[in-house]
Amino acid sequence: DAKTTQPTSMDCAEGRAANLPCNHSTISGNEYVYWYRQIHSQGPQYIIHGLKNNETNEMASLIITEDRKSSTLILPHATLRDTAVYYCIVRASQGAGGTSYGKLTFGQGTILTVHP
Amino acid sequence: KAGVTQTPRYLIKTRGQQVTLSCSPISGHRSVSWYQQTPGQGLQFLFEYFSETQRNKGNFPGRFSGRQFSNSRSEMNVSTLELGDSALYLCASSLIGDFYGYTFGSGTRLTVV
Repeated sequence: DAKTTQPTSMDCAEGRAANLPCNHSTISGNEYVYWYRQIHSQGPQYIIHGLKNNETNEMASLIITEDRKSSTLILPHATLRDTAVYYCIVRASQGAGGTSYGKLTFGQGTILTVHP
Repeated sequence: KAGVTQTPRYLIKTRGQQVTLSCSPISGHRSVSWYQQTPGQGLQFLFEYFSETQRNKGNFPGRFSGRQFSNSRSEMNVSTLELGDSALYLCASSLIGDFYGYTFGSGTRLTVV
């Protein structure tokens, strides 16, 4: 799986958009970009994923650059409950030779702190 | 629907002992993965089971093992515990082919003294 680079920490004011960047310059054509977050003392929570098109769901939006070497997770209206560690993960689909079955490679992530 | 259930939530063991942790996946999910989380190493993949077979394995010593039962429930075992095995152990389940739908449990906090 390709390596990802994220800022160590970010701050955001409550109610504002939080934009979390991720660099994945060695991403391969069959690798997806996933975002998970982990709130203190809980297991990671899936947020969103995408291949090359921008994606949106009820939690967030994912913007992937045209060359796919970087992406941005957008939380449109951050709340205090969004304070967490956010992980950007690049991963091939399940069927890619079996090497990725069940495996998510977590980096250190970005600590997002939402302030009142 | 019920989430992923891990038991026990907390555990204290002595060096040299062995421990078994349990994970009940979401109903219908056939894949169960295990992760170890420590402050120094972060989240690391241990292994993944699907239909009672181990399909993938991380870079951990043989002291770490697991199994999956016919009802998809999974257990992981750590033998000859070391102080460095103190960690949060997380289990995640997913549907077959559902490569984005990993749902994690709240974990078992293991402390080795």
